[in-house]
Amino acid sequence: AQSVTQLGSHVSVSEGALVLLRCNYSSSVPPYLFWYVQYPNQGLQLLLKYTTGATLVKGINGFEAEFKKSETSFHLTKPSAHMSDAAEYFCAVTDQPGNQFYFGTGTSLTVIP
Amino acid sequence: DVKVTQSSRYLVKRTGEKVFLECVQDMDHENMFWYRQDPGLGLRLIYFSYDVKMKEKGDIPEGYSVSREKKERFSLILESASTNQTSMYLCASSLLAGARNEQFFGPGTRLTVL
Repeated sequence: AQSVTQLGSHVSVSEGALVLLRCNYSSSVPPYLFWYVQYPNQGLQLLLKYTTGATLVKGINGFEAEFKKSETSFHLTKPSAHMSDAAEYFCAVTDQPGNQFYFGTGTSLTVIP
Repeated sequence: DVKVTQSSRYLVKRTGEKVFLECVQDMDHENMFWYRQDPGLGLRLIYFSYDVKMKEKGDIPEGYSVSREKKERFSLILESASTNQTSMYLCASSLLAGARNEQFFGPGTRLTVL
């Protein structure tokens, strides 16, 4: 069975500061990992994904995440926060393409001017 | 671009009513999913479908049913709406396999049951 834990339901950063959103997963098989972003009153949009290959994955809007198997983590980072990054972020895991996704409970990011 | 559309953005219904939420995708995806999203609980899977006329229960199917008569359309049905079904409902679709295996989401339907 798979599961996802997102540490910190709310994170606040100053504009220009580093963004770090934490995601730890549990999976009995090599996982496929995803980060999604949800802006207010919208659906979820894919930020980035890890399937196989390079463990450092770059996504849209300057975000990146690193798959660390030994730590069962897939933390999301961005070097410099923008006001437009304020949103809800969800980490998700699945064991193979097309299968059920398991989502974390989400992290709400606030960017302080 | 993949487009997933949902029939309503906002819906208000009364307790006991039968409610239909419609979802349509335009990219010939095999998989379709229905989630509900509640604060502090994230996304929870209600039902999903791998093919026409096929359905699988997710984590919280009680009180819901689904219909998939055509590949592009996946309907969520609340047989008798209750106040605890007030929530945001999100539909998603994906390919069965392959590199583009992420799920694509619709804009959501915010359902209020009075």
